[in-house]
Parts: sequence; C-alpha cells; structure tokens
Amino acid sequence: EAQVTQNPRYLITVTGKKLTVTCSQNMNHEYMSWYRQDPGLGLRQIYYSMNVEVTDKGDVPEGYKVSRKEKRNFPLILESPSPNQTSLYFCASSRLDGSNTGELFFGEGSRLTVL
Amino acid sequence: DAKTTQPTSMDCAEGRAANLPCNHSTISGNEYVYWYRQIHSQGPQYIIHGLKNNETNEMASLIITEDRKSSTLILPHATLRDTAVYYCIVRRPFWGGGSNYKLTFGKGTLLTVNP
Repeated sequence: EAQVTQNPRYLITVTGKKLTVTCSQNMNHEYMSWYRQDPGLGLRQIYYSMNVEVTDKGDVPEGYKVSRKEKRNFPLILESPSPNQTSLYFCASSRLDGSNTGELFFGEGSRLTVL
Repeated sequence: DAKTTQPTSMDCAEGRAANLPCNHSTISGNEYVYWYRQIHSQGPQYIIHGLKNNETNEMASLIITEDRKSSTLILPHATLRDTAVYYCIVRRPFWGGGSNYKLTFGKGTLLTVNP
C-alpha cells in the first residue's frame, strides 16, 4: 500500500531535549516536505526536498533541520525544542516528473508537545 | 504562486450538493487549481485539480470560470463524512522548476454537513 509513515505519532518532551520525527515513503517520490499546523494558521511549510541531498527552506524553517540522505526518508530534527514548536506536524511526498498529477501524499501527522 | 481566498466556513445539508468557492484573481496562465481536504486532524487528502477545463472524478467536480479567476468545488451528494476543511491551492506544476517547490496551504473552508 502506498503510504507516508511518520513516527512518533504523539510525543511529549521538554524544552531543549533534541528530538527527531521520522518520515518514510514507499512510492519512490523525489519530492518530500514538512508542514506544521497550528490553530488559525493553516498548514505552513517548514522545509522541502527535491531529491537526495537537495533541501530548501519553506516559510517557517527557524528551529528545524532536515536531511535527505536516502530517497525514501526525510527526518525532521528539532535540535533544541521550545514550547512554540508545540504543533501538529505533517510530512508529504510527491513525484516530480511531468506525468505527475501534482498530488501530494500526506502522512497521518505527529502531534508534538514541548513543555 | 497565486494567493487564494475562501470563505471561513460553510454549512450543507446531507444529501444536497456542497458548492465550495475559491477566488484566485491573480492566477497566471500555467498555474493549476488544486483542492485538498482535511478531515479532523488527519493528513490532507488530494481531491481534484484542473487548469482551465472543468474536471470530474469519483470524489468531486471542479468548475473553473472562463477567466480562471475563480473556481468551485462541487460535492454532488454531501454526506456526514464530507465534514472537513477544504483547501484551494493555486500553483505551477512541480516539473516547472524554480520556486514551484514551495507550497503553502491557507486556512481553507470548514464545511459542516448537517443531518
């Protein structure tokens, strides 16, 4: 089954404790992206990647890092989490070639609470 | 990418057609209109997309005005399970290169289907 898998789905942590949210897709997609969703603010893009070793900032990259060492994986790293990073996070992927409908496939979300 | 304007919320009776409007007056010639929906706090789900012709699939119909400055997503027979936030996005396809890879969702329209 084609899917985007995020882990963990729920996490409560404390300020400053480094954490990684993993994202894996099994569709051989070139494009992957991270979003955060906060009440009243919609979905905002954090980082995106066009292929292995190619990443770029979205609209709200501060406080986050990403890496794309393998095509299927795109982890989101919070080196020193702060309470303002408490949010619902989504990973998404898509093909980049011309046969693509442009559809983004989303994971089920990771709800992060930073105390 | 062009910005979009959607109503904050709409109501619809179960079994009736739900017509969700989207204004995108600054759309350019190579930008597509995409619709996604998000049920509760699940990952957003692709619904449909179009360039200038009306489109229909098993989920919905998309009507784009002749000047392409607005569009309407139609759910022909809304059910309670269609209660969700619906996002209208306008963007160039990914294969176009450049800044096409940045993709931000707005706040969308909360559609509530009532029994």
